[in-house]
Amino acid sequence: AQSVAQPEDQVNVAEGNPLTVKCTYSVSGNPYLFWYVQYPNRGLQFLLKYITGDNLVKGSYGFEAEFNKSQTSFHLKKPSALVSDSALYFCAVRDTNAGKSTFGDGTTLTVKP
Amino acid sequence: NAGVTQTPKFQVLKTGQSMTLQCAQDMNHEYMSWYRQDPGMGLRLIHYSVGAGITDQGEVPNGYNVSRSTTEDFPLRLLSAAPSQTSVYFCASSYSSYGGTEQFFGPGTRLTVL
Repeated sequence: AQSVAQPEDQVNVAEGNPLTVKCTYSVSGNPYLFWYVQYPNRGLQFLLKYITGDNLVKGSYGFEAEFNKSQTSFHLKKPSALVSDSALYFCAVRDTNAGKSTFGDGTTLTVKP
Repeated sequence: NAGVTQTPKFQVLKTGQSMTLQCAQDMNHEYMSWYRQDPGMGLRLIHYSVGAGITDQGEVPNGYNVSRSTTEDFPLRLLSAAPSQTSVYFCASSYSSYGGTEQFFGPGTRLTVL
């Protein structure tokens, strides 16, 4: 069975500072990992994904994520946070065959001016 | 493209009533799925479909039925609503069931069961 953990319910950063939202995963086989963002009263939007290749993945809105196989982690990062980045962030792993996704519980990111 | 659309946006039901949540996509995606989102619990998969005529159960299927008669539509039926089904429901689609494809989500349906 696959699983995802987001150890922080809430992350607070000041605008202009770097941000990290943590995610660890458990899968059998090669992982397909995703980050999604959810703004209030909206559906989830895809940010980036890791399939294979470079451990540093670049995505939308200046976000990137670092895949670490030995630590089974896929942390979301951004060098300089914006107030508009404030939202709920979900890490997910997707099954290699039937395509079933498992989501973490989400991390609320608050960026203060 | 409208992407993934869901109706209604809001619904209030009484215990025991039935209803259908509608989901449609215009991207010719093979894979469609339904999730429920509850506070502090992330998204949980209810049912999914890898193509027209094929559906399967997810993590929390009890009390829900689905069918997939066309590529575009994937309705979710609540057979006899219970207060435990109060939640926000999201429909999603992806190009295929291949694990490396991202999902596109609808705007959600907020359901309250009294």
